[in-house]
Amino acid sequence: DAGVIQSPRHEVTEMGQEVTLRCKPISGHDYLFWYRQTMMRGLELLIYFNNNVPIDDSGMPEDRFSAKMPNASFSTLKIQPSEPRDSAVYFCASSLAGGLDEQYFGPGTRLTVT
Amino acid sequence: AQKITQTQPGMFVQEKEAVTLDCTYDTSDPSYGLFWYKQPSSGEMIFLIYQGSYDQQNATEGRYSLNFQKARKSANLVISASQLGDSAMYFCAMREAGGGSYIPTFGRGTSLIVHP
Repeated sequence: DAGVIQSPRHEVTEMGQEVTLRCKPISGHDYLFWYRQTMMRGLELLIYFNNNVPIDDSGMPEDRFSAKMPNASFSTLKIQPSEPRDSAVYFCASSLAGGLDEQYFGPGTRLTVT
Repeated sequence: AQKITQTQPGMFVQEKEAVTLDCTYDTSDPSYGLFWYKQPSSGEMIFLIYQGSYDQQNATEGRYSLNFQKARKSANLVISASQLGDSAMYFCAMREAGGGSYIPTFGRGTSLIVHP
């Protein structure tokens, strides 16, 4: 089975533009997580879903960030409008039901906002 | 307060030697899981090993073992017979059952460099 798939792998955009990051979790995994990684703040959990339902979005930094999971095989993280401080690597991860299962990470999307 | 603490920002080890990466955690939840991930310079996050709070024995996966000391709330990763390819960032993480929320928390990581 393929691992977690993220697209695009790299995104360069100008401040003020809308950015959409995409994720396809591992088939059969009930949990999906979005993380942001920066040198300053490390790995931060932004939001996670269980069975397509957002469970905790307390890590979403601002209203400019939104995430959706319309079905079990697809999720998006949108930033509108983007700002230079949003530059980071964004990871999507998924895990099986059970809650204490390990997460499998996608390759990440490196976002640069100029 | 930090839930996961990794006090070693950087570690160096000679090839073929063993190395221990420290991790302490803070939780009042009796049900939790502890994880280690490896992030090589290419950037992907790779799951290495898992220890459940109720597990009686320390977890092992090949050259990786987890030294779980529950009373001391530590979950150190031991890598035996280090290889050059082990050079990477290593992250300790915890998921607490927390009434069903299972929110994961990651430490800041330890950079490991393996010398030939």
